Amino acid sequence: RKEVEQDPGPFNVPEGATVAFNCTYSNSASQSFFWYRQDCRKEPKLLMSVYSSGNEDGRFTAQLNRASQYISLLIRDSKLSDSATYLCAVSTMDSNYQLIWGAGTKLIIKP
Amino acid sequence: DAGITQSPRHKVTETGTPVTLRCHQTENHRYMYWYRQDPGHGLRLIHYSYGVKDTDKGEVSDGYSVSRSKTEDFLLTLESATSSQTSVYFCAISVEQGAGKNTFGSGTRLTVV
Repeated sequence: RKEVEQDPGPFNVPEGATVAFNCTYSNSASQSFFWYRQDCRKEPKLLMSVYSSGNEDGRFTAQLNRASQYISLLIRDSKLSDSATYLCAVSTMDSNYQLIWGAGTKLIIKP
Repeated sequence: DAGITQSPRHKVTETGTPVTLRCHQTENHRYMYWYRQDPGHGLRLIHYSYGVKDTDKGEVSDGYSVSRSKTEDFLLTLESATSSQTSVYFCAISVEQGAGKNTFGSGTRLTVV
């Protein structure tokens, strides 16, 4: 089992809809959690950190569920420009606090 | 955007040849990382550095070496390139180790034929 897993998608979503996807992690001692966005043939860019209390930034909401060991990303009122691959990253003491990455979920917003 | 550049952006090389990729930052960040990204895999850490001449191995370090003689430069060398090292290589920098707020370079697409 991979340490960090994501549904690769693609998620095909109409513009204006709400979409959510999850990222599961296997190490219960994981301490820090992040969502990154990666456009096609570009570098990843930090989208948001995920805190225990949840985190909201405009149309984006990230949540952490420690009991079930997953983080989620919800996008409301999706825009064409939201089309990208969303990567989750987790760090643990076991990995010497280096990030362990999921393979990404591809999101396609259709007009 | 943070000042981090990678060179070359694209490279095709032959099996068995040595290859060096360069990462240069102007942010004076302590931590620098080399990742590779392949379809179906997440970013995988090759090597990282926490200061000048201080480096450590990541998850997939076999066949790779690194050097950091100056804060701003982090070099990745493929000692003898193999086809399995065909990949996209990203350099990243961060202020804190494991803080997650990595800033990435634009990547190097390496093809080993």
